[in-house]
Amino acid sequence: DTGVSQNPRHKITKRGQNVTFRCDPISEHNRLYWYRQTLGQGPEFLTYFQNEAQLEKSRLLSDRFSAERPKGSFSTLEIQRTEQGDSAMYLCASSLAGPSEKLFFGSGTQLSVL
Amino acid sequence: EDQVTQSPEALRLQEGESSSLNCSYTVSGLRGLFWYRQDPGKGPEFLFTLYSAGEEKEKERLKATLTKKESFLHITAPKPEDSATYLCAVRGSGGSNYKLTFGKGTLLTVNP
Repeated sequence: DTGVSQNPRHKITKRGQNVTFRCDPISEHNRLYWYRQTLGQGPEFLTYFQNEAQLEKSRLLSDRFSAERPKGSFSTLEIQRTEQGDSAMYLCASSLAGPSEKLFFGSGTQLSVL
Repeated sequence: EDQVTQSPEALRLQEGESSSLNCSYTVSGLRGLFWYRQDPGKGPEFLFTLYSAGEEKEKERLKATLTKKESFLHITAPKPEDSATYLCAVRGSGGSNYKLTFGKGTLLTVNP
């Protein structure tokens, strides 16, 4: 169990640029989540995958955001035409479906949009 | 819509000074109340899940309890290494079956 891995740890970009983040979940986990966290706030749900299927998207996820999980393994989150309001910590979590499901979080990608 | 309110926002304790953190929640059909610990620059680390009123769970100096409207995280004789932000989250059965709704957290500082 190597834990949930996220890359990069930090990303600085200029407004209007596109960015992509990667998440490698715990290998046997079939569920994967993306959350966003700003300073002083708790994580906010963005989207959820079961295997390769994206089953739920938050209203927070505008058309500029897209997430994929090809073959039910790693996942990517892309933000197009970044805005300063996109600056946040983007957290990935994975879990094994079941009655006592527990989410395991990665260390996140800190995005700063200048 | 599920809601979680945590209090206090920040808490300073002396080493060995026991206290409690509060998590009040509103949820349609509770399917789990979760406590996480978050260190600066890191992702949340799972502590406990509680499912029904009256349930209690313990881990080292931490004990979580649950009622129909709130949960408490009791910290007994804390040490400086317990300093962190403690997050509470709920999963409900209305609307989304998957997402966790988090509170803003309580920043705990334990001074030696």
